[in-house]
Amino acid sequence: AQTVTQSQPEMSVQEAETVTLSCTYDTSENNYYLFWYKQPPSRQMILVIRQEAYKQQNATENRFSVNFQKAAKSFSLKISDSQLGDTAMYFCAFMKHGNQFYFGTGTSLTVIP
Amino acid sequence: GAGVSQSPRYKVTKRGQDVALRCDPISGHVSLYWYRQALGQGPEFLTYFNYEAQQDKSGLPNDRFSAERPEGSISTLTIQRTEQRDSAMYRCASSLAIQETQYFGPGTRLLVL
Repeated sequence: AQTVTQSQPEMSVQEAETVTLSCTYDTSENNYYLFWYKQPPSRQMILVIRQEAYKQQNATENRFSVNFQKAAKSFSLKISDSQLGDTAMYFCAFMKHGNQFYFGTGTSLTVIP
Repeated sequence: GAGVSQSPRYKVTKRGQDVALRCDPISGHVSLYWYRQALGQGPEFLTYFNYEAQQDKSGLPNDRFSAERPEGSISTLTIQRTEQRDSAMYRCASSLAIQETQYFGPGTRLLVL
């Protein structure tokens, strides 16, 4: 079975600072995909970033980047220059071949002005 | 349309009634997924389709839950004889193809009294 663990239920960061959200997963698969989704108070699910397991290079999207450690089964999200609009619940997700998504329990991030 | 749409956005029903939740995926998206999300939790996989074929329904909680996508576009998730424990946010997502990123709809919030 696949599991996704987010060990930080809540985090806060000062505006303009950098924060890292942790995610670990457990799988016996070799080919899979990892995602970070953001869920603001509106409860929309918004894709933040995606990483293919076969790629060694860490994915980057503007202020968002990941630290993908395949051997350690770790997939952390770094948010640089935090903005008030980054306040949201962040979900780490794992997708194996066959399309089934597994989500973590989420990390609630608050950006403090 | 521009994104995944779901209707109704809110549904209040009495225990024992049947409900039908609709998902309209992004035009051209082959794959369609249903999730259930409890408050404070990550989305939980229910089922998914490629075109009109239901590929995996292992996440459906019991036989009161069913889904269809008869023409490979709009999908309906039906819950028969609703129970209070069925109360949750039901989310639909679609992707262009297998292994592609899933884009989520706004969800239907179901409350069973």
